[in-house]
Amino acid sequence: DAKTTQPPSMDCAEGRAANLPCNHSTISGNEYVYWYRQIHSQGPQYIIHGLKNNETNEMASLIITEDRKSSTLILPHATLRDTAVYYCIVRVRGGGISNFGNEKLTFGTGTRLTIIP
Amino acid sequence: ETGVTQTPRHLVMGMTNKKSLKCEQHLGHNAMYWYKQSAKKPLELMFVYSLEERVENNSVPSRFSPECPNSSHLFLHLHTLQPEDSALYLCASSQGLGGDTDTQYFGPGTRLTVL
Repeated sequence: DAKTTQPPSMDCAEGRAANLPCNHSTISGNEYVYWYRQIHSQGPQYIIHGLKNNETNEMASLIITEDRKSSTLILPHATLRDTAVYYCIVRVRGGGISNFGNEKLTFGTGTRLTIIP
Repeated sequence: ETGVTQTPRHLVMGMTNKKSLKCEQHLGHNAMYWYKQSAKKPLELMFVYSLEERVENNSVPSRFSPECPNSSHLFLHLHTLQPEDSALYLCASSQGLGGDTDTQYFGPGTRLTVL
């Protein structure tokens, strides 16, 4: 799986949009970009994923550059409950049969996002 | 709530004890996973089950023994653990293993301390 680079920490004012960048310059054509977050000592929470088109769901938007070498996760109206470590992951999707390498989620160090009241 | 529950949330055990971690998913998924997360190492995938069949992972010590009696339940049986096994143990599930079905949803984890 391609490696990702994220800033170690960011602050965002409550109510503002939080924009979290991720670089994945070695991403392969069949690798997807996934975002998870983890609040201290809790399980990771799935946020969103995409291949090359921008994606939006009830939690966030994912903007992927045309060359796919970087992406940005956008939390449109950050709240205090969005304070967490955010992980950007690139991975090949499973092929429908077990392949231990494909199932594995590899988290880097992530970005610690702090929402300021 | 993600639809994946884990019990207990916290567990303290001695090296000679036998204990089990339980995971239950209410999502109708067919694949379940055990991960280990410690301060010293990144997220480590331990076991994968798909339709109650296990994908072998030879790198996991035999003191960890998984069990998947049905597609909704997953257990991790622990015996003769070492202090370095202290970690957050996470269960996850996904609809399947391929294509649009392999997004994993995690439970809250069990914080295990081995004395």
